[in-house]
Order: sequence, then C-alpha cells, then structure tokens
Amino acid sequence: GEDVEQSLFLSVREGDSSVINCTYTDSSSTYLYWYKQEPGAGLQLLTYIFSNMDMKQDQRLTVLLNKKDKHLSLRIADTQTGDSAIYFCADEGAGGGNKLTFGTGTQLKVEL
Amino acid sequence: GAGVSQSPSNKVTEKGKDVELRCDPISGHTALYWYRQRLGQGLEFLIYFQGNSAPDKSGLPSDRFSAERTGESVSTLTIQRTQQEDSAVYLCASSLRGQPTDTQYFGPGTRLTVL
Repeated sequence: GEDVEQSLFLSVREGDSSVINCTYTDSSSTYLYWYKQEPGAGLQLLTYIFSNMDMKQDQRLTVLLNKKDKHLSLRIADTQTGDSAIYFCADEGAGGGNKLTFGTGTQLKVEL
Repeated sequence: GAGVSQSPSNKVTEKGKDVELRCDPISGHTALYWYRQRLGQGLEFLIYFQGNSAPDKSGLPSDRFSAERTGESVSTLTIQRTQQEDSAVYLCASSLRGQPTDTQYFGPGTRLTVL
C-alpha cells in the first residue's frame, strides 16, 4: 500500500530556517500537501504542490518536490515560536475523491 | 461562516459499547471525510462521502465501523462493540467538491477512549 514517511522531531532556533522532509511511495500522486497541527487545534492546510512542479513558494514557505526520488520538503524561513507545531505531509490516494494518505508528522520545536 | 464542527469533543466508553460520533461539515460542501489519528501516528483515512453516498469505504477497519450522511450535511460515524484499539482521535473534514485543489477543512476531532 501507499506509505508516507517523515522524521519525528526537529528543533531549530528562532530566526533560523526549518526544513521538514517527507518521502512517499505512490508514484501516481498528482498533488502533495503540507498540513499544520497546533496543540488543541484542528489540522490546517498550509500549502500544496502539483506533481509537475518542482518548487512552490508562498511567503515564508518553500515546497520542494523531487518526483524522481519521491521526496518532498517544506522550508520555513525565519522560523518563529508560533511555528511550533506538528507538520504532516500528505499525498492524494488512489481512486479519486482526494482521500489523503498522511505521514506520521514531524514535531517542530522552535527555541529562543 | 462556521467551520467543521464535531461532537462530542471527548467520549469515554466501556469496551463492548456502541458509540456515535457526529460531524457537521461546512455548509455547501459536498465532500466529507472521516480520518482516525492514533496517538503518535498520522491520520488514517476511513471513509469518504460525495453528497450522501460513500464511493470509498476502503479505510473502514472492520464491519464494526459504519457511517452515514444525510441531507448532504451531517454525518455520523458509528462504532459497534468498541474495543480498546479503537481509542483514537476521530477527525472529520469537508471540502467544496472533493477535488484535489479543494482545501479539506478539518474539525477539532472527537477523542474516543475505550476502557
């Protein structure tokens, strides 16, 4: 079956850049997503990238996609304490309807 | 307008009991999804509705799990004869049409604990 993997934990200092990595196995995925989950809050879509793109930038967020290696990354520039959260990558599952397959999540801790 | 709401926010039940979890999607959203998040894990897809029909039930873990949606609005996820491994946060999401570029908006979840 499909599999999406992420490292579990990342710690950075405020003001540094954070890079969260994700690998996936489903070569047919046409869209890949990054979600943010803050304590006590629901999942929030941050950004998505279409599979024929290799980069997408949205303010402090940069998504890089290496389709050959099935590797997706999220770079957060000038990381702030408010960016502390769990970040999930997800890909679109097979069969239509846009059901998502999520990774296990990367907990980002931003230290002063 | 209001976002996706779920009730109850927390549910503690005894093994063997049935539970019903409710999801109110964003008004006008035709697609509705149920996911399960076990402690320390990512979300697992359970079932997807387009309108009132469920074209994809592939994620339901067993026949103890069922879901329905009425009036292209509210959905109920029912777990019969609950087991301890059913303990998880159950998340509901809705999107406008179920297209890949339609944002899935998630509710706050129902935390289910089976004793």
